[in-house]
Amino acid sequence: QSVLTQPPSVSAAPGQKVTISCSGSSSNIGNNYVSWYQQLPGTAPKLLIYDNNKRPSGIPDRFSGSKSGTSATLGITGLQTGDEADYYCGTWDSSLSAKVFGGGTKLTVL
Amino acid sequence: EVHLVQSGAEVKKPGESLKISCQGSGYTFTTYWIGWVRQMPGKGLEWMGIISPGDSDTRYSPSFQGQVTMSADKSINTAYLQWSSLQASDTAMYYCTRRAATTRYDYWGQGTLVTVSS
Repeated sequence: QSVLTQPPSVSAAPGQKVTISCSGSSSNIGNNYVSWYQQLPGTAPKLLIYDNNKRPSGIPDRFSGSKSGTSATLGITGLQTGDEADYYCGTWDSSLSAKVFGGGTKLTVL
Repeated sequence: EVHLVQSGAEVKKPGESLKISCQGSGYTFTTYWIGWVRQMPGKGLEWMGIISPGDSDTRYSPSFQGQVTMSADKSINTAYLQWSSLQASDTAMYYCTRRAATTRYDYWGQGTLVTVSS
């Protein structure tokens, strides 16, 4: 059981938009920055979004992040088949004194 | 360019010891903490802890405290994760990652697959 809750799967057609939610509490998302990671099949995770809504160099603006209260959201527009991956949210949990991840969301581009 | 290169896959028997490595390049290794993340087969990411390569200060996740040991050799830009007595439940992919900020891990190694089986 992960500290952060994500939907197990989402799907959408190529070119469409999808959002992935990440729900936590005041000890984690509510008082810390959220980051998002993309894990393509058989590869290491890759930083996609940090500090709630910032993109590292090289990440296209089709990817966006937001945070409100104890929840965060990853948005992906203009879906491509190459976006099929597992997506994880992560943040610091002050009560656990540990970084915590969501359980991951598998994105299928139909 | 920043790179984290991990040691190769390992196959071990229960009770054996193991030490895997993560070598950084392309940046000042002692400036950034290195984290370790476990991914069990078909499962999600679990944060194990972090080590500061400069002074070997470590912070373990409560879930992994006492189960593994993190160390570093700054002279060769390498961080290590070790087990004294492996169990079948340690079978997983292990990633090292550079901590750019408390909640941001910006570069990841390719992973080391550890298989523990009798």
